[in-house]
Amino acid sequence: GAGVSQSPSNKVTEKGKDVELRCDPISGHTALYWYRQSLGQGLEFLIYFQGNSAPDKSGLPSDRFSAERTGGSVSTLTIQRTQQEDSAVYLCASSAGLGTGRNEQFFGPGTRLTVL
Amino acid sequence: DAKTTQPTSMDCAEGRAANLPCNHSTISGNEYVYWYRQIHSQGPQYIIHGLKNNETNEMASLIITEDRKSSTLILPHATLRDTAVYYCIVRVAGAGSYQLTFGKGTKLSVIP
Repeated sequence: GAGVSQSPSNKVTEKGKDVELRCDPISGHTALYWYRQSLGQGLEFLIYFQGNSAPDKSGLPSDRFSAERTGGSVSTLTIQRTQQEDSAVYLCASSAGLGTGRNEQFFGPGTRLTVL
Repeated sequence: DAKTTQPTSMDCAEGRAANLPCNHSTISGNEYVYWYRQIHSQGPQYIIHGLKNNETNEMASLIITEDRKSSTLILPHATLRDTAVYYCIVRVAGAGSYQLTFGKGTKLSVIP
């Protein structure tokens, strides 16, 4: 399909383990965003990429969280030493990018992370 | 970004038009009105956006008042699959305004 895809769809891990979440944006979209949504809560912005650069990392909740994007396409969100409060649905979105006049964000289905 | 105010919840009969209001009285001249929705257990879905003119696409219509302080999203023939939380977001569509700030939205329930 032509939409944003994320993997895995579900991830259960033990407290203290590291996890990697993957996002494949829509082809040609230069902007990529990570959000998370805790149970019953609204969306929380984490980080934004324009190309491979992340001009705004202000939403990352701690230094255990990091993200990278390579080739202007796939992005990986890494959470080190996971804690139970990290349990949430992690959502990725992409948009055509700044300067294009098309800033609608298209979201993937999310990765549901459960930390036991 | 300007703050928005939406009703917490609304009901709509299946097949009827659903009219979802949004107040954004502090909107600036360069801010657009965006609508997204989130169906249970899915990621948010873009619906429509506009600056000052009314807009229509295959999903919905967006009516923005002349003073731009409020808007209404119209789903012309609501179906059960339209049951979702609908978010009205006001933001500048340009450099430096990239993240979406979701409020609590309106929970729309389409009733058979």
